[in-house]
Amino acid sequence: AAGVIQSPRHLIKEKRETATLKCYPIPRHDTVYWYQQGPGQDPQFLISFYEKMQSDKGSIPDRFSAQQFSDYHSELNMSSLELGDSALYFCASSARSNTGELFFGEGSRLTVL
Amino acid sequence: AQKVTQAQTEISVVEKEDVTLDCVYETRDTTYYLFWYKQPPSGELVFLIRRNSFDEQNEISGRYSWNFQKSTSSFNFTITASQVVDSAVYFCALSLRGSYDKVIFGPGTSLSVIP
Repeated sequence: AAGVIQSPRHLIKEKRETATLKCYPIPRHDTVYWYQQGPGQDPQFLISFYEKMQSDKGSIPDRFSAQQFSDYHSELNMSSLELGDSALYFCASSARSNTGELFFGEGSRLTVL
Repeated sequence: AQKVTQAQTEISVVEKEDVTLDCVYETRDTTYYLFWYKQPPSGELVFLIRRNSFDEQNEISGRYSWNFQKSTSSFNFTITASQVVDSAVYFCALSLRGSYDKVIFGPGTSLSVIP
């Protein structure tokens, strides 16, 4: 079965650079979530989208922005990168008709040097 | 506010021992969902179980079993006859009401199974 696809899987950037992560949800899933997991930490919710509209917002820095496109894929844009942005970024998707079940991608590991 | 607590930061057991991972949650909602996820060293999050707040039946899946007790707001996870491949970080998590609600993770318990 198709799963959540994230790209790239690994990304190395330098401070003050910009990075973009992409997420392709499971077909027919209408909701996308982004999580950030720092080293040794639990995943922290950043932002979610339902039907291309932002549905909830967590601890997402102002330097980050995200959107969901007409094909339901989502992109997380991170600017003015800082060392502390080094983390594993997970995307998850769900269908509102299937209550409470999130499917996570394998994550994108961002390293900021 | 919602919160998930996993008091055990790290646990080490010898292979074939049973181990229980504790999870305590806080929410004022009457409808919620509880989850367990496994994160092996490779980093991906592996879904193990989802339980809704109205279903207090315990569940067994192979060597895994879950004990949901609403009276104590706990959702504990037991691995029977642990194996080296069970070594991972295990996260207990909570979401409210619907699939449009974010999942809130506990801090995780790192399990090491020693051969």
